[in-house]
Amino acid sequence: DAGVTQSPTHLIKTRGQQVTLRCSPKSGHDTVSWYQQALGQGPQFIFQYYEEEERQRGNFPDRFSGHQFPNYSSELNVNALLLGDSALYLCASSLISQTYGYTFGSGTRLTVV
Amino acid sequence: GENVEQHPSTLSVQEGDSAVIKCTYSDSASNYFPWYKQELGKGPQLIIDIRSNVGEKKDQRIAVTLNKTAKHFSLHITETQPEDSAVYFCAASDENTGFQKLVFGTGTRLLVSP
Repeated sequence: DAGVTQSPTHLIKTRGQQVTLRCSPKSGHDTVSWYQQALGQGPQFIFQYYEEEERQRGNFPDRFSGHQFPNYSSELNVNALLLGDSALYLCASSLISQTYGYTFGSGTRLTVV
Repeated sequence: GENVEQHPSTLSVQEGDSAVIKCTYSDSASNYFPWYKQELGKGPQLIIDIRSNVGEKKDQRIAVTLNKTAKHFSLHITETQPEDSAVYFCAASDENTGFQKLVFGTGTRLLVSP
């Protein structure tokens, strides 16, 4: 049973560019959450998607947007990249019917230069 | 909003010793407290969790305690092994909101020396 799959694993972008990160949830899960983990810090909640809608959003600017597809997979888009956006981006999937049962992916390491 | 503080930031122990990591939270509405282990190059993995209606929970060498009055919760690892070396994160959330949002601490790097 595959867990949460994220792609790509690493990427390097230039300031001002746009990036799209992808996540496939664990089989059977219907909810996807995205977290940003800066170096040496704990993960910070960006937003959560269920039934293709954003359910809740953390304290992140509108440059961060997302999407969930009918097959429950999800994308995280970041526009106008800043150096401070360099971080590990984690996707976590769960079942909406179970309050907590997060399964995290291994993340995408984004470096902005 | 919720704020979670975690101490210590680094912890070095000898194999076989016990390790204790402590967290405090600010929002009295928080009622779910998971602990995650993150190894290099991997995402966080849930190792144990506790809800506010329970004061202590054990799973083999791992235990978690919760003091709701003081808003403290702690992770206890006994008989540590080198494979326990990793970064550990505590987190808190309010399950009553219906949203699955976790607020994490800043992490503790545990190093277990043989």
